[in-house]
Amino acid sequence: NAGVTQTPKFRILKIGQSMTLQCTQDMNHNYMYWYRQDPGMGLKLIYYSVGAGITDKGEVPNGYNVSRSTTEDFPLRLELAAPSQTSVYFCASSYGGTRIEQPQHFGDGTRLSIL
Amino acid sequence: GENVEQHPSTLSVQEGDSAVIKCTYSDSASNYFPWYKQELGKGPQLIIDIRSNVGEKKDQRIAVTLNKTAKHFSLHITETQPEDSAVYFCAANRKTSYDKVIFGPGTSLSVIP
Repeated sequence: NAGVTQTPKFRILKIGQSMTLQCTQDMNHNYMYWYRQDPGMGLKLIYYSVGAGITDKGEVPNGYNVSRSTTEDFPLRLELAAPSQTSVYFCASSYGGTRIEQPQHFGDGTRLSIL
Repeated sequence: GENVEQHPSTLSVQEGDSAVIKCTYSDSASNYFPWYKQELGKGPQLIIDIRSNVGEKKDQRIAVTLNKTAKHFSLHITETQPEDSAVYFCAANRKTSYDKVIFGPGTSLSVIP
């Protein structure tokens, strides 16, 4: 199993451009998450999804959009990129659907610079 | 709001010594506390987790302790090795919903050979 796969690994955008960060998982996990990681700030939740067709905002959703049309895929869309969105973005998934919390499995990240 | 604090932010130890990282959380309803290790250029990986029904859990050189009364939990790494060098994150779940956790800001551990 590949686990959680993110593409691209690196990207440079100009201010005002748009792009989609791709995330796919092959573990048949119900729950998926997008985080951003800024230096010394840990991981902040942008959006999450508990199943296909269901998404909800996390702590820092402004400037981002998501969709979840399949169990496997959870793309993150940046519209009108701004320098404040320069960060490392991580996608994660967990089994979900039980009353016992399950650990999250992370991809290796997308390093995004907005210039 | 819910918060997880983590100390120290950086830690250097000699190879073979022990390393301890401490975290505190604010939500008294939290009952799941995972620890993640992040190597350079990689995503975080779960190394150990503890649930509130136990006070300590060990896995070879790694142990985690939990004090629910004080809302503290700690990671202990014994006999440290250079490959233990990484950033470590603690986290606590949010009982409001859906396997969501709040992460601490991270501890950069350097093991000096």
